[in-house]
Amino acid sequence: ETGVTQSPTHLIKTRGQQVTLRCSSQSGHNTVSWYQQALGQGPQFIFQYYREEENGRGNFPPRFSGLQFPNYSSELNVNALELDDSALYLCASRGRLSTDTQYFGPGTRLTVL
Amino acid sequence: AQSVTQPDIHITVSEGASLELRCNYSYGATPYLFWYVQSPGQGLQLLLKYFSGDTLVQGIKGFEAEFKRSQSSFNLRKPSVHWSDAAEYFCAVGATKSSGDKLTFGTGTRLAVRP
Repeated sequence: ETGVTQSPTHLIKTRGQQVTLRCSSQSGHNTVSWYQQALGQGPQFIFQYYREEENGRGNFPPRFSGLQFPNYSSELNVNALELDDSALYLCASRGRLSTDTQYFGPGTRLTVL
Repeated sequence: AQSVTQPDIHITVSEGASLELRCNYSYGATPYLFWYVQSPGQGLQLLLKYFSGDTLVQGIKGFEAEFKRSQSSFNLRKPSVHWSDAAEYFCAVGATKSSGDKLTFGTGTRLAVRP
């Protein structure tokens, strides 16, 4: 067990809709990263949040946004869903140091129809 | 920009046999290198990581990896594979110490274990 939980486990949306995915990190983990893993691919870095501020973003458009809360929970929001957004979305949290081990949650499987 | 190549999409080995999974990276400076394992329905679990120092890194579950700068490689090895090792394995690189956790992953190698 990594202590990182994600909800929901699975989600089906239609193109153009908006979705919110949730992550709960271990207590004390003030850095959370989100990754998108398309079928048959490795995870791709979306963005990272540190102390409730965005701290780096990968090659994803602004319709991907996030929030981080003081209680070690966080959200990934995706607006105007596209078919290519269908993927497993992983969150990962770590402690204070960038060299601390990241712990990944089990992911949310998003299907866009 | 950094990149990671895992040349083997799928590998099958017999239980008890040795294993080597290949990983090549592209990055101008000393990279931060990781191997993760992903079982069906599970998140990613860190097997081992390399930041500096000894180029042979020991990890969990009996895995080890060797950093070879001259070959830009970080291959994962295990001397004797167990059926429970069947999973997908990902190599990843982090660019700098400050962003060592903003990872670039390879496309993965799926390991099957033959009884």
